[in-house]
Amino acid sequence: NAGVTQTPKFQVLKTGQSMTLQCAQDMNHNSMYWYRQDPGMGLRLIYYSASEGTTDKGEVPNGYNVSRLNKREFSLRLESAAPSQTSVYFCASSEAWGAQGYEQYFGPGTRLTVT
Amino acid sequence: AQSVAQPEDQVNVAEGNPLTVKCTYSVSGNPYLFWYVQYPNRGLQFLLKYITGDNLVKGSYGFEAEFNKSQTSFHLKKPSALVSDSALYFCAVRNGGANNLFFGTGTRLTVIP
Repeated sequence: NAGVTQTPKFQVLKTGQSMTLQCAQDMNHNSMYWYRQDPGMGLRLIYYSASEGTTDKGEVPNGYNVSRLNKREFSLRLESAAPSQTSVYFCASSEAWGAQGYEQYFGPGTRLTVT
Repeated sequence: AQSVAQPEDQVNVAEGNPLTVKCTYSVSGNPYLFWYVQYPNRGLQFLLKYITGDNLVKGSYGFEAEFNKSQTSFHLKKPSALVSDSALYFCAVRNGGANNLFFGTGTRLTVIP
């Protein structure tokens, strides 16, 4: 049981390049999330998918797109990378969405540098 | 609006001493409160949560947290710190109707041998 896996672990992009961050979970969770972590700012939600087939914007969605490929996989795409997107990106999943207070489980992160 | 404050960027404690990492929150409605720990170059790991019921919540690795509604606090505690507890700790909050989990900025705990 690997939990939440992310690829790649590290990536360096030039400004304007595109890339997709991959995330998969094997816990049969319904909900999945993408966060970015910047120094002194905690984690901020980029996009989430409450259930398979749905996606919604979080706190900082500009410059990103997502795809919930199936129940297991949730990808994050940067269409035209900018230096402001240099960050550590975390994928997370939870059993469900809503008022039940389910905890989220996190992947190991992708460290992205945009030059 | 929801928000979380972790007033201390850094907490240092001697091994074997009790530790406290502070968290205060602001939500409308009933809060759901969480503590996560992050070790270097790793993702966040869930420690414990408060949803309802007993104000003292026990979690992983001997940690516990006390929900105080009147002070809007959810401080993380451990009776006897270990060097291996050294890590970055995040408090997070949401209310029952909200979509987002809001994280604090984190507190770096260093346990000194």
